[in-house]
Amino acid sequence: EDQVTQSPEALRLQEGESSSLNCSYTVSGLRGLFWYRQDPGKGPEFLFTLYSAGEEKEKERLKATLTKKESFLHITAPKPEDSATYLCASRRGSQGNLIFGKGTKLSVKP
Amino acid sequence: GAVVSQHPSRVICKSGTSVKIECRSLDFQATTMFWYRQFPKQSLMLMATSNEGSKATYEQGVEKDKFLINHASLTLSTLTVTSAHPEDSSFYICSALGGHGYTFGSGTRLTVV
Repeated sequence: EDQVTQSPEALRLQEGESSSLNCSYTVSGLRGLFWYRQDPGKGPEFLFTLYSAGEEKEKERLKATLTKKESFLHITAPKPEDSATYLCASRRGSQGNLIFGKGTKLSVKP
Repeated sequence: GAVVSQHPSRVICKSGTSVKIECRSLDFQATTMFWYRQFPKQSLMLMATSNEGSKATYEQGVEKDKFLINHASLTLSTLTVTSAHPEDSSFYICSALGGHGYTFGSGTRLTVV
């Protein structure tokens, strides 16, 4: 069964304290690994798509990496405004829909 | 960038009534739209996939007669929750697939009283 598992469920950081979020996946025919940010009461906001092992993408304080079994979202020197739930999703090759993990709720304290 | 507008953002309805949620792609044509449901502290669960002009494909366990999906144009899909009950209370999110990839609406908080 296709699955996406994120860890940790929640992460509390001090402002400036770098860390990483993990997303492991078991999906046949993977056609993209997606990262989204979701604020409370809002829809997911797109961050990155990764397609092949070894690929890396960066945006401001965020950097996403991909291996054959997992993806990491590295947060460098986070700020309070980075507080949100970060969702990881994989795309099934044949159907096109996204399979989401439960997310990691990140809290960054000043 | 691609924008998806979802309305209403919040709705409270009485048990037994129906509620319609709209999802519009504002600046692109969406060949496929997806409807998700999200419970507190849970991931987005796919309910159905709809393609313009054809019947929606529902995920296992989702009642198609209860959650009616219409995708009449390349920019509009609607989800109607029929005969709503308190257990239908949830956060519903649509997603449109276009040239920019998957773009999500801002969600609809449905409360059935």
